[in-house]
Amino acid sequence: AQSVSQHNHHVILSEAASLELGCNYSYGGTVNLFWYVQYPGQHLQLLLKYFSGDPLVKGIKGFEAEFIKSKFSFNLRKPSVQWSDTAEYFCAVNKGGGADGLTFGKGTHLIIQP
Amino acid sequence: EPEVTQTPSHQVTQMGQEVILRCVPISNHLYFYWYRQILGQKVEFLVSFYNNEISEKSEIFDDQFSVERPDGSNFTLKIRSTKLEDSAMYFCASSASQGGNQPQHFGDGTRLSIL
Repeated sequence: AQSVSQHNHHVILSEAASLELGCNYSYGGTVNLFWYVQYPGQHLQLLLKYFSGDPLVKGIKGFEAEFIKSKFSFNLRKPSVQWSDTAEYFCAVNKGGGADGLTFGKGTHLIIQP
Repeated sequence: EPEVTQTPSHQVTQMGQEVILRCVPISNHLYFYWYRQILGQKVEFLVSFYNNEISEKSEIFDDQFSVERPDGSNFTLKIRSTKLEDSAMYFCASSASQGGNQPQHFGDGTRLSIL
């Protein structure tokens, strides 16, 4: 079975700082990788996804993530964060080629200070 | 943008009672899912449903749980005899995938509180 670990449970940054949230997964086969965001009081929204092809994927709101297969990593980045990025961020994975349930990491609570 | 809708937003139930959580997936989607998130813990997969049958389920999804698609729009999760540890946020999701590689879209969740 696959598992996902997110290294940082709480991150506090100032506006305009650069962001990198770590995500590592364990699974030997082909995987699909996702980052979801949950703004306060809202549902999980897809930020970006990787299925195949270019390992650097761009998502909404200026976020990007890089899939490094050799490191089993899919870190989320944003060059300059805004106060509105305050949210919970979840890395998730499911097996490639299917519509299996997602395995989530524990989430990172990101707080952006104005 | 089409959304997954869940009702109710908050359900309070006595221990031992049955509860049904309801979801309306996005209309052209084919795969349906339930997840739960116990307070302070990560989101956990419960079950996936395709073509009117369960396609995958986790260890959490024991005999107390069942899912149903009673009509063309609703997708329900039933917990037969609730326990205190069933208190959690329950999320429904759907995807358009037929053969994989489509993202899952989530509803706002139902907060289930067992007293």
